[in-house]
Amino acid sequence: SQQGEEDPQALSIQEGENATMNCSYKTSINNLQWYRQNSGRGLVHLILIRSNEREKHSGRLRVTLDTSKKSSSLLITASRAADTASYFCATVSNSGYALNFGKGTSLLVTP
Amino acid sequence: NAGVTQTPKFQVLKTGQSMTLQCAQDMNHEYMSWYRQDPGMGLRLIHYSVGAGITDQGEVPNGYNVSRSTTEDFPLRLLSAAPSQTSVYFCASSLRIRGGDTEAFFGQGTRLTVV
Repeated sequence: SQQGEEDPQALSIQEGENATMNCSYKTSINNLQWYRQNSGRGLVHLILIRSNEREKHSGRLRVTLDTSKKSSSLLITASRAADTASYFCATVSNSGYALNFGKGTSLLVTP
Repeated sequence: NAGVTQTPKFQVLKTGQSMTLQCAQDMNHEYMSWYRQDPGMGLRLIHYSVGAGITDQGEVPNGYNVSRSTTEDFPLRLLSAAPSQTSVYFCASSLRIRGGDTEAFFGQGTRLTVV
């Protein structure tokens, strides 16, 4: 069954604003990953945060992880029109290899 | 270095027909997997493989078969296509690290319509 659940389902902002997406999951994890999917394309890995990490940065991306609340957030700062895409969180259990995806957040950044 | 290559990109099948979706990777990744993506459902795991000769079922395996004779290739077979299998299919590969502490690489997808 699907592990992650992103919130909100859709988000519309203007260029220059920050975008925050949240992900909740159900069971113990080894790590949590965020992926981006542009319309009609495959998924591209953005960032991975391990269960013993609380925050991680990569360029304009900031990810937090709260294992006690089983939740994560992805912050995109100073959004650009090119950030328009769907964003998915995915988790991997300690014993497994498979990624369990949420349903995604659709982000629209307007000029 | 092409990454993960899926063929075909688009396919229309009639109910009851069979076909094979091809997936190949050139990164020497042990772990490969197939997902289907349906509107509002995210990605769901169909089958996966942790190495040549080893495959296992995911969340939605019914109606699909896989095999892994080489490290590079992981084809997905639809035995008798049904309209419920209309979807976008993605193949992914990654290093085989238990706990998955590694990024997955995805193909561009195959958009399948069963009429």
